[in-house]
Amino acid sequence: GAVVSQHPSWVICKSGTSVKIECRSLDFQATTMFWYRQFPKQSLMLMATSNEGSKATYEQGVEKDKFLINHASLTLSTLTVTSAHPEDSSFYICSAMTGVGYGYTFGSGTRLTVV
Amino acid sequence: DAKTTQPTSMDCAEGRAANLPCNHSTISGNEYVYWYRQIHSQGPQYIIHGLKNNETNEMASLIITEDRKSSTLILPHATLRDTAVYYCIVRVRDSSYKLIFGSGTRLLVRP
Repeated sequence: GAVVSQHPSWVICKSGTSVKIECRSLDFQATTMFWYRQFPKQSLMLMATSNEGSKATYEQGVEKDKFLINHASLTLSTLTVTSAHPEDSSFYICSAMTGVGYGYTFGSGTRLTVV
Repeated sequence: DAKTTQPTSMDCAEGRAANLPCNHSTISGNEYVYWYRQIHSQGPQYIIHGLKNNETNEMASLIITEDRKSSTLILPHATLRDTAVYYCIVRVRDSSYKLIFGSGTRLLVRP
């Protein structure tokens, strides 16, 4: 089945530094990927839609200069949290459209802690 | 875009069927209903999706009412490992294909 690999699974960084999270589709090509953020005991909140070869589309209220998204190939999308602050600490999850019956596969998530 | 309403929490006994309802009264004719579940600190797991007809796979069954305003996810023989948050999602109608998550139902399967 369609597999999405997300790396790293957890990361701790210092305030003011940048962190890159990778999302790879392992056995299919993903022209469209999505990035979500989830705070404890809350639901997933869509941050942006990432399309291969074009600029990401950000949801209202999401700072595009802070959350940089790159989707340079059909199997890789990256999310870079720039100048991270403690309030950016969250669970970040990516997903990709598998293209089969319009299914979506999710990565296992990245737990970001900014200290 | 259609929104969904789900009970905040439910419980059922292990081995029994778990029936999780979802209301999507504003759904449009070409909008799909998706069900995902999330076990603590993991990415959501696909369960099933449908448009108009009832659907069944190895995990669950999806029953959609004739007017499409509500649906029920059925886990036929719940196990302890089915304890999770279950999300009913109506896919956004435009070409973005976004999945917008609601608050979901926290299902607790009791021994």
